Amino acid sequence: DAMVIQNPRYQVTQFGKPVTLSCSQTLNHNVMYWYQQKSSQAPKLLFHYYDKDFNNEADTPDNFQSRRPNTSFCFLDIRSPGLGDAAMYLCATSRSPGDSPKNIQYFGAGTRLSVL
Amino acid sequence: AQSVTQPDIHITVSEGASLELRCNYSYGATPYLFWYVQSPGQGLQLLLKYFSGDTLVQGIKGFEAEFKRSQSSFNLRKPSVHWSDAAEYFCASTSGTYKYIFGTGTRLKVLA
Repeated sequence: DAMVIQNPRYQVTQFGKPVTLSCSQTLNHNVMYWYQQKSSQAPKLLFHYYDKDFNNEADTPDNFQSRRPNTSFCFLDIRSPGLGDAAMYLCATSRSPGDSPKNIQYFGAGTRLSVL
Repeated sequence: AQSVTQPDIHITVSEGASLELRCNYSYGATPYLFWYVQSPGQGLQLLLKYFSGDTLVQGIKGFEAEFKRSQSSFNLRKPSVHWSDAAEYFCASTSGTYKYIFGTGTRLKVLA
């Protein structure tokens, strides 16, 4: 039944070692989002894809990249993780805002990243 | 600029008591409003949403919320809280674009 699936649920990496988090969806939604959420904070949008169009938030560091090879999958690449990148990373999907229902975002369970 | 405020960072209630979590929004027109719940170590689950029409909306898990334009509020309520409701609750709004504006969240603790 899971609609937005994130793997792995927990990821440990070393300082500076590239890491990739994955997200897949069975909803066939046009839009996929990546959020970073630090402890006791609201999710912070990093970027989103509308189909193949990539949209970066202005304050997202260059260290964070994303790929969307097809409608179902989206990846978050952290090129050189720092200690400050330890966080929960949430993937979400939605229809395009012009569609109905209005841009409801469906979230995955998240991947908790630890940086040693 | 659009913003969402959740004035209460933490709330503690006894099991069986009623609950109200506050959310205020700032936006010129009527935004689309959402309440999400996040259990520890989990993603966000949609509780309910308001787009237009009836200002009292029903959601899952026995929650409801009321949109009050005059107060720019969208408060979440539950008549009788269960221990399993302990979680963090986020109010969010969007003007219809991709971007959600989240509040800072309210952490709910339920006493047995």
